[in-house]
Amino acid sequence: GQQVMQIPQYQHVQEGEDFTTYCNSSTTLSNIQWYKQRPGGHPVFLIQLVKSGEVKKQKRLTFQFGEAKKNSSLHITATQTTDVGTYFCAGPGNTDKLIFGTGTRLQVFP
Amino acid sequence: DTEVTQTPKHLVMGMTNKKSLKCEQHMGHRAMYWYKQKAKKPPELMFVYSYEKLSINESVPSRFSPECPNSSLLNLHLHALQPEDSALYLCASSQEGSSYEQYFGPGTRLTVT
Repeated sequence: GQQVMQIPQYQHVQEGEDFTTYCNSSTTLSNIQWYKQRPGGHPVFLIQLVKSGEVKKQKRLTFQFGEAKKNSSLHITATQTTDVGTYFCAGPGNTDKLIFGTGTRLQVFP
Repeated sequence: DTEVTQTPKHLVMGMTNKKSLKCEQHMGHRAMYWYKQKAKKPPELMFVYSYEKLSINESVPSRFSPECPNSSLLNLHLHALQPEDSALYLCASSQEGSSYEQYFGPGTRLTVT
């Protein structure tokens, strides 16, 4: 079946360091969505990318959709403690469901 | 208003109990979802309602029974659950199908004893 994998599974960074998570789908995606889930919280939608090669920025966060529309990345510049949480990518499946990636848990040390 | 509400926040139930989880959205969304999430795992889709009709049932055991009374409300009826059903149950809604971003409620933390 369709799978969406993310690496790394877990990352510790010192505050101020950069962070990147990578998302890879086994199939081509019509779009890719990114969500953030704080510890003890619920997933919160961050952004959606639709076009091949698309790059979008939100302040310190840069999102990229691969040319083949099978992979994506999220890069955070100069992490802050408020960036702590689990970042999930997600893409529409063959049926009307969203397939979530395995997630990358980010821990930021002050 | 981009809020999805869920009640209760926490629920502890025995294996013989019957309980219901409730979800409400007022964004005019036509698709609503139930997810189950175990610790350190991604949300796992259980059911999708589209235009108030059940469109996806991910082979969930019959001890979970969804209900969509109207376009704003989604319930999940629980009966004879097992301890392994303990998890965070998340409700979400989206404008239509999976191509649209989903808005999640805060979840119900369920413990089955």
